[in-house]
Amino acid sequence: AQKVTQAQTEISVVEKEDVTLDCVYETRDTTYYLFWYKQPPSGELVFLIRRNSFDEQNEISGRYSWNFQKSTSSFNFTITASQVVDSAVYFCALILISGNTGKLIFGQGTTLQVKP
Amino acid sequence: NAGVTQTPKFRVLKTGQSMTLLCAQDMNHEYMYWYRQDPGMGLRLIHYSVGEGTTAKGEVPDGYNVSRLKKQNFLLGLESAAPSQTSVYFCASRAGLAGVRSHEQFFGPGTRLTVL
Repeated sequence: AQKVTQAQTEISVVEKEDVTLDCVYETRDTTYYLFWYKQPPSGELVFLIRRNSFDEQNEISGRYSWNFQKSTSSFNFTITASQVVDSAVYFCALILISGNTGKLIFGQGTTLQVKP
Repeated sequence: NAGVTQTPKFRVLKTGQSMTLLCAQDMNHEYMYWYRQDPGMGLRLIHYSVGEGTTAKGEVPDGYNVSRLKKQNFLLGLESAAPSQTSVYFCASRAGLAGVRSHEQFFGPGTRLTVL
């Protein structure tokens, strides 16, 4: 069975601190995509990144960076120099390519609070 | 280009009442999904559709029905609402297999439903 685990339920940091959100996934498939979504207090889901299973390159986008390691089935997300606007719920998710249903399997979410 | 829209945004029902949530997308996407979001559980798939006239069950389909009579619309019905169906409901759509964004799901703004 496929599963995504975000073990950190809530994280609280002070502005300008770096913070890493963990994501561990389980699947026997070799072809899949991993995603991170942000859900700010307004409630909408904001797409952050997609990574396919064949691309283990780390990615950096401004203050955001992602570390994908197939050996440990992890896809961690780091925010550098956090800001109050980063306060949100962050979801990691998995899509299997086989079967082509495109069903997203979400983790439980990590609530990040950045205090001024 | 509105993307994915959901109607209504908020609704309060009494136990036993019925209602239909409407999801509409203007991106000509083949695939559409209904998820529910509950605290501590991430988003869970209720039903999905891989094309006009098709529907399939997701992870938590009980108590819900869906229809996809038109490609752009995906309706979620609650025949006899129960308090356990109090949740935030998200609709999503995605294009087919090809293209850079082929596996990315585009989410609607959500519908907050309370069943008393």
